[in-house]
Amino acid sequence: EAGVAQSPRYKIIEKRQSVAFWCNPISGHATLYWYQQILGQGPKLLIQFQNNGVVDDSQLPKDRFSAERLKGVDSTLKIQPAKLEDSAVYLCASSFRGYEQYFGPGTRLTVT
Amino acid sequence: QKEVEQDPGPLSVPEGAIVSLNCTYSNSAFQYFMWYRQYSRKGPELLMYTYSSGNKEDGRFTAQVDKSSKYISLFIRDSQPSDSATYLCAMTGGGNKLTFGTGTQLKVEL
Repeated sequence: EAGVAQSPRYKIIEKRQSVAFWCNPISGHATLYWYQQILGQGPKLLIQFQNNGVVDDSQLPKDRFSAERLKGVDSTLKIQPAKLEDSAVYLCASSFRGYEQYFGPGTRLTVT
Repeated sequence: QKEVEQDPGPLSVPEGAIVSLNCTYSNSAFQYFMWYRQYSRKGPELLMYTYSSGNKEDGRFTAQVDKSSKYISLFIRDSQPSDSATYLCAMTGGGNKLTFGTGTQLKVEL
């Protein structure tokens, strides 16, 4: 069974630029999550999708972050414009049962 | 106060030692408790999950939950250098939203 795929793996941008991350979940997993993991901290949920609908985006900074999951499969997370404090690893996860979440390798974002 | 507290370490042990990793939490609604292992520059990998109180064993790993004390533990027996990683506890009240600890960095030395 293929795992959660993410791209790119690394991205370096300047502040105020925009960036997008892509995620392909495990086949059959209806729930998809985006997490932000700052160095030395645990992952923090940004947004949760059930199929292509948003279930929880309470911690998503909506003035600069957006996410979509078209057709209930792949998902894209965008940051525009980026700030220095957005430097982190962005993790995508998927689940069939909510408490068993499977993570992708993450995208390491550096904002300079 | 954070909902989930976890000692960040680092914790360094000799090969073959028994390792004890712990988390405390404050939200009594948490019912599902997970342990994830995260190698450097990789995503977290689900090791074990436990529902409510009690013990669960899987090979060299044992997870314990004490809901009365709001305390969970992961024990690793016969630790190996390949166990060197950051261990994250996570928990949820039954929905899908996981609350993570900060992670404990473990190093098993030869």
